[in-house]
Amino acid sequence: GQSLEQPSEVTAVEGAIVQINCTYQTSGFYGLSWYQQHDGGAPTFLSYNALDGLEETGRFSSFLSRSDSYGYLLLQELQMKDSASYFCAVYSGGYQKVTFGTGTKLQVIP
Amino acid sequence: GAVVSQHPSRVICKSGTSVKIECRSLDFQATTMFWYRQFPKQSLMLMATSNEGSKATYEQGVEKDKFLINHASLTLSTLTVTSAHPEDSSFYICSARTSGGPPQYFGPGTRLLVL
Repeated sequence: GQSLEQPSEVTAVEGAIVQINCTYQTSGFYGLSWYQQHDGGAPTFLSYNALDGLEETGRFSSFLSRSDSYGYLLLQELQMKDSASYFCAVYSGGYQKVTFGTGTKLQVIP
Repeated sequence: GAVVSQHPSRVICKSGTSVKIECRSLDFQATTMFWYRQFPKQSLMLMATSNEGSKATYEQGVEKDKFLINHASLTLSTLTVTSAHPEDSSFYICSARTSGGPPQYFGPGTRLLVL
């Protein structure tokens, strides 16, 4: 089966950097995505990693190590609007199967 | 960017009735659509995956006769909750993607309340 683990909550100060980790167990791994979800809203896509290494998109970066079954989302220059839940999601089975992690609630404080 | 719409955004119904939720990709052709259910403060649980013109693939524990999914075209998928009960009350979200893989583009979700 598929399983993903993330910290349930993280608190960080505005302007700081925060890293949200995701470890996974899956068969037929294709890639790892990150999604942001504000309370009451739908998830929005942040990043996707299929190969090992770091992908950078503005203030957000995502890292993947396939050998360690591990990835992380790095948020820099935190802003209050970054307060949200962040989900990692694993794709397998030719992208037909997607499993979401338990989610990490990020609270950014002044 | 790719836009996915969902209708209705909110629905309240009586126990025993059926509810249909539509998911449309507005500016791209969605080879695959996913249906999720999310309970408060929990993660997204994949219910089923549907490819245009094919029968949906349901996740373990999801009753296919209760949650009817139709993906009749490359831009439209529908989820019908049949004989809804209060325990079916949840946030239902669809997503769509092209054949090339991620990302998925999510609709705004439908809040279902069954009385």
